[in-house]
Amino acid sequence: DQQVKQNSPSLSVQEGRISILNCDYTNSMFDYFLWYKKYPAEGPTFLISISSIKDKNEDGRFTVFLNKSAKHLSLHIVPSQPGDSAVYFCAARLDSNYQLIWGAGTKLIIKP
Amino acid sequence: DTGVSQDPRHKITKRGQNVTFRCDPISEHNRLYWYRQTLGQGPEFLTYFQNEAQLEKSRLLSDRFSAERPKGSFSTLEIQRTEQGDSAMYLCASSLVGTQTQYFGPGTRLLVL
Repeated sequence: DQQVKQNSPSLSVQEGRISILNCDYTNSMFDYFLWYKKYPAEGPTFLISISSIKDKNEDGRFTVFLNKSAKHLSLHIVPSQPGDSAVYFCAARLDSNYQLIWGAGTKLIIKP
Repeated sequence: DTGVSQDPRHKITKRGQNVTFRCDPISEHNRLYWYRQTLGQGPEFLTYFQNEAQLEKSRLLSDRFSAERPKGSFSTLEIQRTEQGDSAMYLCASSLVGTQTQYFGPGTRLLVL
């Protein structure tokens, strides 16, 4: 039972354009959603998070949108840069025990 | 202290051997988590500590796995009688009570032959 799904295994975007990464979830007990970026042979690096009571959070080039009725969130990166090429994971936190439930990741490729 | 550190970064072992991994969290963080990640998947939660107390264990954590955080600082994860299915990246993360962000170490990649 996958509680957090990232349905696009990969995404290719032109440098300077907007990258939109999507994530769907099923459990209404998640209280925070987080996006992490991962390079090969490294641990995940925290990017941005959003509380379940918000619908938008912005930090520089990164914006996360949450649609609770659709149980859907998205990460927007604008403008996309070559250094953004990595695997992006969506994670959701259970309010009962703080563990993170992760999607399978989306590999983002920024083309020059 | 600039982040979470893990040791070793890589471990190759033969089936049936025991292995132990170490995690040093960010110094003021009182929560510490262990996750396992296999290729093409997101990390899966294994267990977490608040200070020295182990508060939650996943059903993924079989009896062959044990984790400790004896003084509420560093933690060890031991796998006894390793199996080929244990081959994965083992990730450690830490956080402060009252915050939602977990900060991850570089991971220990285990290969069981």
